[in-house]
Amino acid sequence: DAKTTQPPSMDCAEGRAANLPCNHSTISGNEYVYWYRQIHSQGPQYIIHGLKNNETNEMASLIITEDRKSSTLILPHATLRDTAVYYCIVRVRLLQGAQKLVFGQGTRLTINP
Amino acid sequence: DTEVTQTPKHLVMGMTNKKSLKCEQHMGHRAMYWYKQKAKKPPELMFVYSYEKLSINESVPSRFSPECPNSSLLNLHLHALQPEDSALYLCASSHALAGEYNEQFFGPGTRLTVL
Repeated sequence: DAKTTQPPSMDCAEGRAANLPCNHSTISGNEYVYWYRQIHSQGPQYIIHGLKNNETNEMASLIITEDRKSSTLILPHATLRDTAVYYCIVRVRLLQGAQKLVFGQGTRLTINP
Repeated sequence: DTEVTQTPKHLVMGMTNKKSLKCEQHMGHRAMYWYKQKAKKPPELMFVYSYEKLSINESVPSRFSPECPNSSLLNLHLHALQPEDSALYLCASSHALAGEYNEQFFGPGTRLTVL
């Protein structure tokens, strides 16, 4: 299973962009990068995923380097409610479409007022 | 309905007890998952069910026994647990399709304490 490496913690001021890096140097060609976050005492929540191209949705943007060995999750205008642990995950697809998510240690993001 | 529900929210049990955790979803997902999460650690995959059949058992001790009685329900039967099994148990579900978009939806978890 491909492994991911993230900084253990980051701080960001409210209203600024939060940029969360992730290294996944052993990713293989058909593996997607997924980002989830977990707010204290809740289940993880899906944010975004990508394969090669940059992706954007209503929550965040995902920038994947050309060699696919690293990516950055961008929260464009962070709010206090974005304080959470953010997990970068390389998805492993199993038989019959079920998938294995191997969570790394994650980045604890704190948004400061 | 995009919700995964888990019951109970909290469970305290002794080492000789038998209890069950329940997970339910009505999103038509045919893949369901159990994760274990210790305090300040990431979730760890325990079991994967696909089309009501066990696909993956991540070398979980036999005192944990999963069951998928139908496409909407997933149970985790607990017997003779140890105090170190105390953790947050998370259930998740997803489509079991060959395409890329198989987002896993997580429930809120059951916080288990083994005395």
